[in-house]
Amino acid sequence: GAVVSQHPSWVICKSGTSVKIECRSLDFQATTMFWYRQFPKQSLMLMATSNEGSKATYEQGVEKDKFLINHASLTLSTLTVTSAHPEDSSFYICSATVGSYNEQFFGPGTRLTVL
Amino acid sequence: SQQGEEDPQALSIQEGENATMNCSYKTSINNLQWYRQNSGRGLVHLILIRSNEREKHSGRLRVTLDTSKKSSSLLITASRAADTASYFCATDGDMRFGAGTRLTVKP
Repeated sequence: GAVVSQHPSWVICKSGTSVKIECRSLDFQATTMFWYRQFPKQSLMLMATSNEGSKATYEQGVEKDKFLINHASLTLSTLTVTSAHPEDSSFYICSATVGSYNEQFFGPGTRLTVL
Repeated sequence: SQQGEEDPQALSIQEGENATMNCSYKTSINNLQWYRQNSGRGLVHLILIRSNEREKHSGRLRVTLDTSKKSSSLLITASRAADTASYFCATDGDMRFGAGTRLTVKP
């Protein structure tokens, strides 16, 4: 299957700093990528849909100025958590769809801890 | 609201038994996908079933799809302790997830 990578796999930062998470499709071009957040023992919550070359579409309740998404190429989307606070600590997962059936493949996730 | 809703939310079985979990969705689909997530890890794509398919097999996995009832089921046969994970379904066009089914397979 298609491979999606994320970097970093984990990050610890101080409150008030910004953190950038990268999502790459390694062996295919992804027109659309998705960003999710998952709190412990909960399901994935869709944050935004990212389309190459256009602005991301955010889910209701997700602050677009806080979670900046850039999808500059067909293989890379980035999520920047700006002015991070402890409540932003979570597991962030990206995914990308490929093929005519929109098969969805996930990255391994990034665990963010804000102190 | 989520497109895919899994049932039951939790399932505990003995190794060797079969595990069945269900997924219901709301709108028309082109395909439905099942995923597994081990604790603290990313999602692993298990199987995709298209809307014109009724059943699909992959190893010990069997997936059925009933578009008239807008439901799908995932059957894991001869379960193993390593199958312990959360299982999710998702449909094309709506990438939101339900709560998933937490499967525990006891050795």
